[in-house]
Amino acid sequence: EAQVTQNPRYLITVTGKKLTVTCSQNMNHEYMSWYRQDPGLGLRQIYYSMNVEVTDKGDVPEGYKVSRKEKRNFPLILESPSPNQTSLYFCASSFARILTDTQYFGPGTRLTVL
Amino acid sequence: SQQGEEDPQALSIQEGENATMNCSYKTSINNLQWYRQNSGRGLVHLILIRSNEREKHSGRLRVTLDTSKKSSSLLITASRAADTASYFCATGTGTASKLTFGTGTRLQVTL
Repeated sequence: EAQVTQNPRYLITVTGKKLTVTCSQNMNHEYMSWYRQDPGLGLRQIYYSMNVEVTDKGDVPEGYKVSRKEKRNFPLILESPSPNQTSLYFCASSFARILTDTQYFGPGTRLTVL
Repeated sequence: SQQGEEDPQALSIQEGENATMNCSYKTSINNLQWYRQNSGRGLVHLILIRSNEREKHSGRLRVTLDTSKKSSSLLITASRAADTASYFCATGTGTASKLTFGTGTRLQVTL
């Protein structure tokens, strides 16, 4: 089944404790991205990757890191989480790198930073 | 500010009625997409309309695009309780490799 998977789905952590949210897609998509969703603010892009070893900042990259060592995986790293990073996070992928084609979303990771 | 803004923010209708949601945006676009999100879950792509298209249909969905007014509408005909969800428009602009999402319309369909 074609899908985007994220782990963990739920995470409660404390300020400053490094964490990684994994994202994997099995559709051989070149383009992957991370979004955060907050009430009243919609979805905002954190980082995106157009291919292996190619990543770039989205609208709200501060406090986040990503890597793209393999085509299928695009982990989101919070080196020192803070309470303002409490949010619902989505990974997405798409086949086309241009014309912002249809994106396929993962199920989301609900992160709480205490 | 958001590129895409949906209107209304919330909509409550009865099953069988039609639901119309609007999206306005600010800059020129390559395409506009509509997504659905069930509570707390991932977004699901519904339909994509390119900037040179004016109307598109998919099942019970009808999307229109007016580039002169920088607006789009999503019509869901004969709504069902299962259509209860949040609906987001997203715009793709220029050569930017990203979509910009609006804040969504929350649709409630009651029996």
